[in-house]
Amino acid sequence: NAGVTQTPKFRVLKTGQSMTLLCAQDMNHEYMYWYRQDPGMGLRLIHYSVGEGTTAKGEVPDGYNVSRLKKQNFLLGLESAAPSQTSVYFCATGWASDSNQPQHFGDGTRLSIL
Amino acid sequence: AQKITQTQPGMFVQEKEAVTLDCTYDTSDPSYGLFWYKQPSSGEMIFLIYQGSYDQQNATEGRYSLNFQKARKSANLVISASQLGDSAMYFCAMRSIFGNEKLTFGTGTRLTIIP
Repeated sequence: NAGVTQTPKFRVLKTGQSMTLLCAQDMNHEYMYWYRQDPGMGLRLIHYSVGEGTTAKGEVPDGYNVSRLKKQNFLLGLESAAPSQTSVYFCATGWASDSNQPQHFGDGTRLSIL
Repeated sequence: AQKITQTQPGMFVQEKEAVTLDCTYDTSDPSYGLFWYKQPSSGEMIFLIYQGSYDQQNATEGRYSLNFQKARKSANLVISASQLGDSAMYFCAMRSIFGNEKLTFGTGTRLTIIP
């Protein structure tokens, strides 16, 4: 049981390049989330999805786009990478209604923008 | 809006001692949940313990317990008999029942256990 899988695990980009981070889950969770983690700032929500075909903005959505074409996948895209987007990105999944259940996190993607 | 405050950027604790990590929160929601996660140096986020706002008793999970004081809006994590493997970043997080289950995180506390 893989749980939540993020690919790639590491990536270095040049300013202006584009890329897509993939989050795949086999837990049949309805909700999926993308967070970024920066030193001294904890995790901040970028975008999230409450179900297949739906997405919504989180706390820091600028410069990112997302898509949830299939229930098990949640993609995070950077159209034109900027150095300020250097961060560790975490995907998480959760149930829609069981609020006492924790979100399950992937292992993270470390992204550096030069 | 929800806010989580962790005022201890770093702590050093002797092995086998108990340690308390502070977390205060602010919310206007009537119903919410509080979570603690551990992040070791390897980077993954590990769920430790949960406390619901209407739970009558403080949550416990093995060596972890949550000192929940609703009137003070605090949810401190207590680790008993600390071990070297407890050295990690610890994050307090809140989820509103009405907020599409989104988590709001604090800035974390880096705990170092000294042998």
